[in-house]
Amino acid sequence: GAVVSQHPSRVICKSGTSVKIECRSLDFQATTMFWYRQFPKQSLMLMATSNEGSKATYEQGVEKDKFLINHASLTLSTLTVTSAHPEDSSFYICSATRQGWADTQYFGPGTRLTVL
Amino acid sequence: GQQLNQSPQSMFIQEGEDVSMNCTSSSIFNTWLWYKQDPGEGPVLLIALYKAGELTSNGRLTAQFGITRKDSFLNISASIPSDVGIYFCAGQFKGSEKLVFGKGTKLTVNP
Repeated sequence: GAVVSQHPSRVICKSGTSVKIECRSLDFQATTMFWYRQFPKQSLMLMATSNEGSKATYEQGVEKDKFLINHASLTLSTLTVTSAHPEDSSFYICSATRQGWADTQYFGPGTRLTVL
Repeated sequence: GQQLNQSPQSMFIQEGEDVSMNCTSSSIFNTWLWYKQDPGEGPVLLIALYKAGELTSNGRLTAQFGITRKDSFLNISASIPSDVGIYFCAGQFKGSEKLVFGKGTKLTVNP
């Protein structure tokens, strides 16, 4: 149990376009979902925390207007990278915690974004 | 921000050898987690530790939550080629769902 999926797994887009990444908890209801960004050979950097039905909480230095997060249900959160630029190219990973198991985050497989 | 000191940064070992890596912090954590990440994939949870002094095994993996709540180690016994990857420790403060990640240990296993 505790499977998290992400779609798409990789996306290439032109500079100036917006890209939406979906994160789904497949076999459990997620109380909280997290979005991370990972640069090559580096650790995961938390971007924001999102709870179903409420506004996401962004980490310091993360532009909320640039990275729009929508947590529409207990199994789905989306991250939209607006007006993407080459410096937004990165590996984006989501995670989710199960109801009653808030200590443990289960991660999705990640989405590789390349902005040309 | 808070940081976890994870060591070693990388390891090159022969198949069959045992491996040990650890994380230390100046802060007290309520939970320690160990993850493995393969290239191009998301981290996969290996072991979760919830109590100081707790020693938990998952197959050939063993991890311990330090008594001071400021450190944890992960051991891998009899390594095999599929153990290759990056191992991350992560700590969680009491009352917070956020994770603080170490910088990772890259493990290479030579057949």
